Amino acid sequence: DAGVTQTPRHEVAEKGQTIILKCEPVSGHNDLFWYRQTKIQGLELLSYFRSKSLMEDGGAFKDRFKAEMLNSSFSTLKIQPTEPKDSAVYLCASSHNSQNTLYFGAGTRLSVL
Amino acid sequence: GEQVEQLPSILRVQEGSSASINCSYEDSASNYFPWYKQEPGENPKLIIDIRSNMERKQIQELIVLLDKKAKRFSLHITDTQPGDSAMYFCAVYAQGLTFGLGTRVSVFP
Repeated sequence: DAGVTQTPRHEVAEKGQTIILKCEPVSGHNDLFWYRQTKIQGLELLSYFRSKSLMEDGGAFKDRFKAEMLNSSFSTLKIQPTEPKDSAVYLCASSHNSQNTLYFGAGTRLSVL
Repeated sequence: GEQVEQLPSILRVQEGSSASINCSYEDSASNYFPWYKQEPGENPKLIIDIRSNMERKQIQELIVLLDKKAKRFSLHITDTQPGDSAMYFCAVYAQGLTFGLGTRVSVFP
């Protein structure tokens, strides 16, 4: 079985650009999460979908971060416009339901110059 | 959203001793409390979890305790080994899974 697939693995953007990160969850999983990981802030929840419905939109991240899930097998995270403080690893994860094991993708390492 | 406090942030223990990590949360409706281990260059992986209808769970050398009244839960690694050196994250499910900031555990000989 394929795990969670994230593309690209690395992204370099200039300040002010728009970037789109992609995620394919494990087939059959109903829950999908987007996290941002940094050493200082740890794993910050950006978005949470249950059966394609947005359940949590990350509060403080709402203004420049937008996650979408147009079908059960694909999600995107758009950051617009990017800022240097957005530099981090962005992790997508999925689970069968909210109280089951969360499987993480390999992540996208974003560097904003 | 839910807030999760995790302490300590760094923990050094001697091989063979126990390591304890504590987490607290705010939302009394939270009902699922997993622990994830992340090794360098790897993704976080689930090592043990506990649900709100339990107070204690053990898997081999890992013990999780849950005090719902105090809104606290903890992970205890007994008889630590070098392979236990990693980052450990507690998490709480309310509306989505919220993680603590992590504890870097180092096991020295």
